[in-house]
Amino acid sequence: EVQLVQSGAEVKKPGESLKISCKGSGYTFTNYWIGWVRQTPGKGLEWMGIIYPDDSHTTYNPSFQGQVTISADKYITTAYLQWSSLKASDTAIYYCARQDTSYYASGSQKGVAFDIWGQGTMVTVSS
Amino acid sequence: EIVLTQSPGTLSLSPGERATLSCRASQSVTSKYLAWYQHKPGQAPRLLMYGASYRATGIPDRFSGSGSETDFALTISRLEPEDFAVYYCQQSRRPMYTFGQGTKLEIK
Repeated sequence: EVQLVQSGAEVKKPGESLKISCKGSGYTFTNYWIGWVRQTPGKGLEWMGIIYPDDSHTTYNPSFQGQVTISADKYITTAYLQWSSLKASDTAIYYCARQDTSYYASGSQKGVAFDIWGQGTMVTVSS
Repeated sequence: EIVLTQSPGTLSLSPGERATLSCRASQSVTSKYLAWYQHKPGQAPRLLMYGASYRATGIPDRFSGSGSETDFALTISRLEPEDFAVYYCQQSRRPMYTFGQGTKLEIK
C-alpha cells in the first residue's frame, strides 16, 4: 500500500525548535516530489514548499522561505519540515503529500497533483 | 503568484441535488496543472480531479471537472450524504503553487 505516515502531534513553546517527519512507503520514494501544506482555520490550505528526495532540490513558497526548512533523507524514505524558532502563529495542522505526474500514451503530461497525503501533524505553539 | 478564487464560499444544498463549484484564476492556468480536493474535518485532503477533468482513482463518476485557462468548475451531479465537505482547487505551475480559499458544501 502506498502511504505517507507523519509523526505525532507536538506542543511547543514560542522560540523552541521542531522537526516533524513524513515517511513514505509502498512506492519508489526518490521518483516523486513531496510537498508540505499548512492548514489553518483562517486561511484554509497553503502550499509551503516541495522537495525532490533524490537530489533534495527544494522550492519554497516565498511566504515560508526563511521561516521553515524542508529536507529529505532518501535512504530512510523520509521527508522533514523544521523550524528553528517557533511562533504562536505556526500553530496549525501540517500535511505532507506526494506529487504525481500522469502522462498520455504519447508521453505528454496529462496532470500534476498531490495524490497521496499523510494523516497530518498538529503543531500547537503556546506559552 | 496565481490567485485562485473559489465561489461560492458556502453552498447549501440537499442530498440528490446538483452542485457546481467555481474556481477562477488570476492568470491562465494550463489544464494539466489544475486539481480539485475534498477535505473533511479530521481527515487528510483527498484528490478528486487532476488535469482539470480527469477523475482520480476510486472517485465516483458523479464527480466531474471542466474548464480551461482562467475558469474551472467541479460538478457533483447528485449529492450523496458523504459529499458534504470543503472543496479546494489548486494549481501546480512552478515556481509557486496555490490553493483556492475553499468552498464549504453544507447540508441544507
